[in-house]
Amino acid sequence: GAGVSQSPSNKVTEKGKDVELRCDPISGHTALYWYRQSLGQGLEFLIYFQGNSAPDKSGLPSDRFSAERTGGSVSTLTIQRTQQEDSAVYLCASTLGGASGELFFGEGSRLTVL
Amino acid sequence: QKEVEQNSGPLSVPEGAIASLNCTYSDRGSQSFFWYRQYSGKSPELIMSIYSNGDKEDGRFTAQLNKASQYVSLLIRDSQPSDSATYLCAVKDTGGFKTIFGAGTRLFVKA
Repeated sequence: GAGVSQSPSNKVTEKGKDVELRCDPISGHTALYWYRQSLGQGLEFLIYFQGNSAPDKSGLPSDRFSAERTGGSVSTLTIQRTQQEDSAVYLCASTLGGASGELFFGEGSRLTVL
Repeated sequence: QKEVEQNSGPLSVPEGAIASLNCTYSDRGSQSFFWYRQYSGKSPELIMSIYSNGDKEDGRFTAQLNKASQYVSLLIRDSQPSDSATYLCAVKDTGGFKTIFGAGTRLFVKA
C-alpha cells in the first residue's frame, strides 16, 4: 500500500483480555518497528524486525507482550492478560532499513484497558 | 542504556522568531540522526535527517550535528503558528540499527 496501515485504530478492552494489533508496512520496506506512546510521553521502543534476522525484542516490557512478522511483511503485536497500564497508542513504523533509517509511521492503534 | 535527551518544554516563541530545539545522545558511535514532528493526536513525520557534522538546511529548517559533543539541534526560522507541535529527536544506534527517540520538546508559536 501507499503507507503503513494499522488496525484497529481504536480498541477498548477489559482488564485481563488478550488483544492483537496489526501492522501492514509499506511494500518493499524490510524493517519494521513497534513503539508505544503513553499520553503526553515520548516513543517507547518495543521491538524491531529486520528482514529474516532475529527480532530485537529488548524493549518489550514483559512476557505478556509478543510480536511476530509473517513472510517479512505484516506484523502482529499481541498483549496477553491486558492491564490498565498497557493503555497507550501503539505505533508501527517501517523503513527500507540500512543506515538511512527514516521511519514511516502508521496512524497508530489506541488501546484502552478498562 | 542508550539514551536520547531533550528538554520537554514547552518552548514558546513569537511568530516570525527562530525556534531552537536541542538534543543530546549517549551512544558515541551513532551515525544517523533525525528530527520528527508530531502534531497532537497524529503520528510522527520525518522533517530532517543528518549524518555528517555541520549544518544541513531545508527551507526554514536547519539541522546541526556535533558528534564530538554528542549534540543535535534543529532551528526553525520564521516560525509560524502551524509549526506548533512536539519535535522528537531520534538517533539510530550503532548496534542493531535500532532507532531511539527522545521524549520530545513541545513548541508553541504565538501569533
